[in-house]
Amino acid sequence: ETGVTQTPRHLVMGMTNKKSLKCEQHLGHNAMYWYKQSAKKPLELMFVYNFKEQTENNSVPSRFSPECPNSSHLFLHLHTLQPEDSALYLCASSHPGQGQETQYFGPGTRLLVL
Amino acid sequence: AQSVTQLDSQVPVFEEAPVELRCNYSSSVSVYLFWYVQYPNQGLQLLLKYLSGSTLVKGINGFEAEFNKSQTSFHLRKPSVHISDTAEYFCAVSDRSKGKLIFGQGTELSVKP
Repeated sequence: ETGVTQTPRHLVMGMTNKKSLKCEQHLGHNAMYWYKQSAKKPLELMFVYNFKEQTENNSVPSRFSPECPNSSHLFLHLHTLQPEDSALYLCASSHPGQGQETQYFGPGTRLLVL
Repeated sequence: AQSVTQLDSQVPVFEEAPVELRCNYSSSVSVYLFWYVQYPNQGLQLLLKYLSGSTLVKGINGFEAEFNKSQTSFHLRKPSVHISDTAEYFCAVSDRSKGKLIFGQGTELSVKP
């Protein structure tokens, strides 16, 4: 497989459930990102990892917990979510640098919280 | 802090017509500028980016954009659109020190036959 893959593609969960989103990149990158895409709103950067270290947490509630075990894999652990957390969650990767790098996105996980 | 404004949320256009999608940004520091496209049920894909040099940037699928520093704009253009260009288009900026992408709200381009 090539590029950035995300699983699952769709997820429905209750507010008391615990689930995890998975992202894998096959591009040899060392920076990975989680974004939230809600309808009619700009993409919101949630977390950034460079060389497995978290370098950005954009004031994300603690019910979202990221994990980056290696440069190729990124997880987003979800627990006690709220209905307003329903959105498309996008993962991206790039070479680390100072802003000029292209980010490569996965297809996203569409999350519905009931 | 940077911000990006995409002036049109929806742009309907007929096939083979020209199109311009508008993007304005604000920043107190030098920035890099990007246009990404999102086709239905897919992630974002880079169309083009401005880093430095010539202000006219050519991208994939026949798109181009012009960086205008005085007007803080980076409008995207295509002289003749196809049905397959129907998608959502996002303008983004990143500052040259932090490297964080800030996206606009998106413009939905709808190409009709």
